[in-house]
Amino acid sequence: EVQLVQSGAEVKKPGATVKISCKVSGYTFTDYYMHWVQQAPGKGLEWMGLVDPEDGETIYAEKFQGRVTITADTSTDTAYMELSSLRSEDTAVYYCAKVPHRWGQGTLVTVSS
Amino acid sequence: DIQMTQSPSSLSASVGDRVTITCRASQGISNYLAWYQQKPGKVPKLLIYAASTLQSGVPSRFSGSGSGTDFTLTISSLQPEDVATYYCQKYNSAPFTFGPGTKVDIK
Repeated sequence: EVQLVQSGAEVKKPGATVKISCKVSGYTFTDYYMHWVQQAPGKGLEWMGLVDPEDGETIYAEKFQGRVTITADTSTDTAYMELSSLRSEDTAVYYCAKVPHRWGQGTLVTVSS
Repeated sequence: DIQMTQSPSSLSASVGDRVTITCRASQGISNYLAWYQQKPGKVPKLLIYAASTLQSGVPSRFSGSGSGTDFTLTISSLQPEDVATYYCQKYNSAPFTFGPGTKVDIK
C-alpha cells in the first residue's frame, strides 16, 4: 500500500525556518515527483513546488521562490520541504503529495510570536 | 502560467439533485486534470483523474468530462455526505495549479 507519512505539527516564531518530512512507502520513490501543497486556514490549495527524487531537480511556484527548498533523500525514501523567513501568513497545513493519487496526512505549521 | 478557474464558487442543492461544477484552464492541458473532494479538517480525496477516470472506491454518482480547456465534475444524485469543497488541479506541467474551489452544501 502506498503511504506518505509526514512529520508532526510545528510552532515557529516569525523569521524562523521550518523543515517538514514526508516518508514514503509502497512504491519506488524515484519513479514519481513529490509535490508540496499549502493550505492556509479557511483557504484553498496552493501548489508550492516539487522535487524529482531521481536527480534532485526542483521546480518552485513563483510565490514561494527564494523561501522554499524541497529535497529528497533516496537512502531513506523521504522528501523534505523547508520554508524560511516565516511570517504569520505561513500558518497553514502543508501536504506532500504524489499527485494526483496519494497525499500525506498534512502537517500544521503555526507561526506566532 | 496557465490559470485555473472554477464555477460556481459555491452552490446549494437538494438531496437527489444533479450537480455540475465547471473548471476552465486558460490554455489547453489535454486531459491532465484531477478533481478532489475536501471535507473540513480532512486531506483532499482524489475523485477523478485524467479528466474522466473514476478513482477506485469513489461512488459512481461522481463523473468527470472534458478535454483541452473546459472540464466538468458531475454528481448525478447529491447525497448528504457530498457536502464538501471540490477542487480541480492541472497536472500536465508546472506550475501544477489548483482551481479556487467550489463549496457544495445541502439546501
